[in-house]
Amino acid sequence: EAQVTQNPRYLITVTGKKLTVTCSQNMNHEYMSWYRQDPGLGLRQIYYSMNVEVTDKGDVPEGYKVSRKEKRNFPLILESPSPNQTSLYFCASSFVENTEAFFGQGTRLTVV
Amino acid sequence: GQQVMQIPQYQHVQEGEDFTTYCNSSTTLSNIQWYKQRPGGHPVFLIQLVKSGEVKKQKRLTFQFGEAKKNSSLHITATQTTDVGTYFCAGDDSGGSNYKLTFGKGTLLTVNP
Repeated sequence: EAQVTQNPRYLITVTGKKLTVTCSQNMNHEYMSWYRQDPGLGLRQIYYSMNVEVTDKGDVPEGYKVSRKEKRNFPLILESPSPNQTSLYFCASSFVENTEAFFGQGTRLTVV
Repeated sequence: GQQVMQIPQYQHVQEGEDFTTYCNSSTTLSNIQWYKQRPGGHPVFLIQLVKSGEVKKQKRLTFQFGEAKKNSSLHITATQTTDVGTYFCAGDDSGGSNYKLTFGKGTLLTVNP
């Protein structure tokens, strides 16, 4: 089944404790991206990747890192999480840019 | 930078009534996509419009792309309770370089049975 898989689905952590949210797609898509969704603000892009080893900042990259060492994986790293990063996070992939995006199930992160 | 405005923010209708959400961009778009997110779910792709003035239909849903490629609309005829969710438009103004999809804030549709 074609899908984008995020883990974990839910995470509660403390300020400053490094964490990684994994994202994997099995569709051989080149383009992957991370979004955060906050009430009243919609979906905002954090980082995106056009292909392996090619990543770039989206609209709200501060406090986040990503890597794209393999085509299928695009982890989101929070080196020192803060409470303002409490949000619902979505990973998405597309065959190439400018085509239909497939979203993962989401990761609800709470930083206390 | 590019801004994509979507109105209304909320819409409550009686089942059987029609519903429309509008999307406006501050820049000319290469294409526009529409997504639906059910409560507690993730965004799911509905359609992509590319051509100026394009109109596409999916059963009770009609999508339009403006002549200037700066606005779009989604119209649902005779809403059903299964239509409940948030509808997002997403525009790309990159012209093919540095691709970036900017989402509107969405319209939350609730339907009273």
